Amino acid sequence: GAGVSQSPRYKVAKRGQDVALRCDPISGHVSLFWYQQALGQGPEFLTYFQNEAQLDKSGLPSDRFFAERPEGSVSTLKIQRTQQEDSAVYLCASSLSTDRHGPFGPGTRLTVL
Amino acid sequence: RKEVEQDPGPFNVPEGATVAFNCTYSNSASQSFFWYRQDCRKEPKLLMSVYSSGNEDGRFTAQLNRASQYISLLIRDSKLSDSATYLCVVGLHNDMRFGAGTRLTVKP
Repeated sequence: GAGVSQSPRYKVAKRGQDVALRCDPISGHVSLFWYQQALGQGPEFLTYFQNEAQLDKSGLPSDRFFAERPEGSVSTLKIQRTQQEDSAVYLCASSLSTDRHGPFGPGTRLTVL
Repeated sequence: RKEVEQDPGPFNVPEGATVAFNCTYSNSASQSFFWYRQDCRKEPKLLMSVYSSGNEDGRFTAQLNRASQYISLLIRDSKLSDSATYLCVVGLHNDMRFGAGTRLTVKP
């Protein structure tokens, strides 16, 4: 189907390693959202793109987190010098509209050892 | 205080029971309201939007009380397949805030 896809589905990183997580939104979707979901918690907003513009990055927990969407389609979330507290599921969602989001991707489960 | 609060549960109910979840939110300017369902190790999926007048979708009824800033979800005639975590979501423009979820287990 033509849903949101994310890769890798699982990532194990050693503390201090850099990681890059990819989100392929539904074709034509203007808005793209990244969330972080820790075990037993609801998703926490990280950042929002409208096309290639990153309009809100207020949820990024530190300057080790960086997201981009250079051509307004695929987005990459990069985490530098990973820490154990970065272990979580990273979810991406896209939407045609700008005031709500559509389906989530399956997520990337990041484990930092 | 979290912006969206839910009773984490768990709620353990027998098949056929009626169960209700509440959610409170702190931002009175919030404009959009949703319930999501999340199965174990899966992504959240939209269950239903919540409208001011209240809305129903089959066995599910959602209510919004803006004055008291809470949202509710009622599930009638619970099925085993309703077992999941139910997430309350409150939005203002593109800013969507999730509750931590309420876990429901429906038992035979």
